[in-house]
Amino acid sequence: DAGVIQSPRHEVTEMGQEVTLRCKPISGHNSLFWYRQTMMRGLELLIYFNNNVPIDDSGMPEDRFSAKMPNASFSTLKIQPSEPRDSAVYFCASSFPRVGETQYFGPGTRLLVL
Amino acid sequence: SQQGEEDPQALSIQEGENATMNCSYKTSINNLQWYRQNSGRGLVHLILIRSNEREKHSGRLRVTLDTSKKSSSLLITASRAADTASYFCAHARNRDDKIIFGKGTRLHILP
Repeated sequence: DAGVIQSPRHEVTEMGQEVTLRCKPISGHNSLFWYRQTMMRGLELLIYFNNNVPIDDSGMPEDRFSAKMPNASFSTLKIQPSEPRDSAVYFCASSFPRVGETQYFGPGTRLLVL
Repeated sequence: SQQGEEDPQALSIQEGENATMNCSYKTSINNLQWYRQNSGRGLVHLILIRSNEREKHSGRLRVTLDTSKKSSSLLITASRAADTASYFCAHARNRDDKIIFGKGTRLHILP
């Protein structure tokens, strides 16, 4: 299996621009998680989906952040407009069969907003 | 906060020594998991221990769970340079609930 795939791996953008991060979970996994990691705040859960349905988005920092999962094999996390404080590493993870089981992480997207 | 806490925050030991990291949590749990993160990489799952288990082994890793004290420990025996990484514990209240990660322990193995 290819594991969780994230793209892009690195993104540098200017403040105010729209950023879209992409994730392909492991085939057959039915839960998908988006995390953000910074030195200051550590690893934060932003949102997670179960069977393509958003279950908990309480970690999404503000309305500039949105996430979708149109099908079982694809999810996006969008930031519009981006701000320098959004600079972080964003991880996607997936799990099966239940939400509280082992999570498999992607390599992350390193985002720098100038 | 439901967040678990690891102790110590950072640990440096000589190669070949054993490394012990501890984790505490605040709620009842279904399972507790340990993950490793090498610098610049994603987290990698190491081991999962369920609430009805007390100890689990995987290679050089030994995990214990004390639900009465709401704590767990991860022991890495005969440490190697490649074990240098951050180690996170995470717990789930039940199998249908999200897992909560701690802030991690940074382990540095000295040559």
